[in-house]
Amino acid sequence: QSALTQPPSASGSPGQSVTISCTGTSSDVGGYNYVSWYQQHPGKAPKLMIYEVTKRPSGVPDRFSGSKSGNTASLTVSGLQAEDEADYYCSSYAGSYKYVFGTGTKVTVL
Amino acid sequence: EVQLVESGGVVVQPGGSLRLSCATSGFTFGDYGMHWVRQVPGKGLEWVSLISWDGGRTYYADSVKGRFTISRDNNKNSLYLQMNSLRPEDTALYCCTRGTNWSFDYWGQGTLVTVSS
Repeated sequence: QSALTQPPSASGSPGQSVTISCTGTSSDVGGYNYVSWYQQHPGKAPKLMIYEVTKRPSGVPDRFSGSKSGNTASLTVSGLQAEDEADYYCSSYAGSYKYVFGTGTKVTVL
Repeated sequence: EVQLVESGGVVVQPGGSLRLSCATSGFTFGDYGMHWVRQVPGKGLEWVSLISWDGGRTYYADSVKGRFTISRDNNKNSLYLQMNSLRPEDTALYCCTRGTNWSFDYWGQGTLVTVSS
């Protein structure tokens, strides 16, 4: 199972928006509405930000939103804040009770 | 408060074996499937294994299938990963995570496994 493809980095100024893509195949991202996104600050455990493509867990700000088109999912962070600077990973169910993660994107708040 | 605490990570020689544990609290452990996910320091995440709520079904990444065994004890609220025939490429931080809605909603801080001679 190959890792999902994410851009290595993305950046934006405070208040702006940044969108991170996550590209897979019809066997994972394109085949199921089970894409999730995780935020990881240095030295910390990942935190679930989006599940089932578009849903936000309780406590996650509505500045974070998810979408999907074909084999590519996206995470958009609107109204960037300093605390949004972190690594972000996508994940997708890949069938047969297996999962695959993305390569990760480092978001920098300029 | 949901807590997941891993232990058992050490330095081990190639070909060696190791058993990781994950002690949980703050939720009804037996109601959830549980996963192991690993992360090479400074690198990305890799899904390793899943066990069903009752332990009756287990699933593995191709990279560890036949070498690793996931198990659980619902009476002890604990998850385990038996790792055999370890390889240098298994060196990583191993995290246990709770499975919900086809995602991983709570994570432990991880335990570091280093495979080196």
